[in-house]
Amino acid sequence: GAVVSQHPSRVICKSGTSVKIECRSLDFQATTMFWYRQFPKQSLMLMATSNEGSKATYEQGVEKDKFLINHASLTLSTLTVTSAHPEDSSFYICSARIGGAGPYNEQFFGPGTRLTVL
Amino acid sequence: AQSVSQHNHHVILSEAASLELGCNYSYGGTVNLFWYVQYPGQHLQLLLKYFSGDPLVKGIKGFEAEFIKSKFSFNLRKPSVQWSDTAEYFCAVNKNDMRFGAGTRLTVKP
Repeated sequence: GAVVSQHPSRVICKSGTSVKIECRSLDFQATTMFWYRQFPKQSLMLMATSNEGSKATYEQGVEKDKFLINHASLTLSTLTVTSAHPEDSSFYICSARIGGAGPYNEQFFGPGTRLTVL
Repeated sequence: AQSVSQHNHHVILSEAASLELGCNYSYGGTVNLFWYVQYPGQHLQLLLKYFSGDPLVKGIKGFEAEFIKSKFSFNLRKPSVQWSDTAEYFCAVNKNDMRFGAGTRLTVKP
């Protein structure tokens, strides 16, 4: 099956610093990658969608200047949380899709990155 | 508005009880449907998915789900739960991207 990895799996940082999370599709090329956020005991909320070589599309309420997304290749997307604050502490999950938009192109999920901002 | 609804926030069952978790969606047109499980402190695992064909889908760990198009529903079932099924269960709908329901926490008492 299609495998998506994330690095790091856990990160703890001080308030005000920036943190970069990597998402890789290991055995396929991902036209589109997605970033989700999951707060404790809550569901996954889509933050943004990125297509390789294009600017990411952010969901309403997600600050694009705070959550920088780079999708430089068909196998790698990065999420940088800039000037992190304790309220950014969350579980960040990436997902990758083969092919374009549409119900028949399945998304594959990474294992997630737990970010704790002190 | 398009949404995915899971009506049960927290379900508590005894071992060997039967389980049914509700999921309804409000998307029009063709969608694909998924159930994921998330054990405490762990990442998402795919339980089952429906793309087309037989509306009764069988997944891993003895779970199944039935797609009822007329009701916009995709309920998850298991005839006999085990303590190890204690987890959070998420229904998801894929039309152009994957959207999740709020989740249902299942607690199985030994």
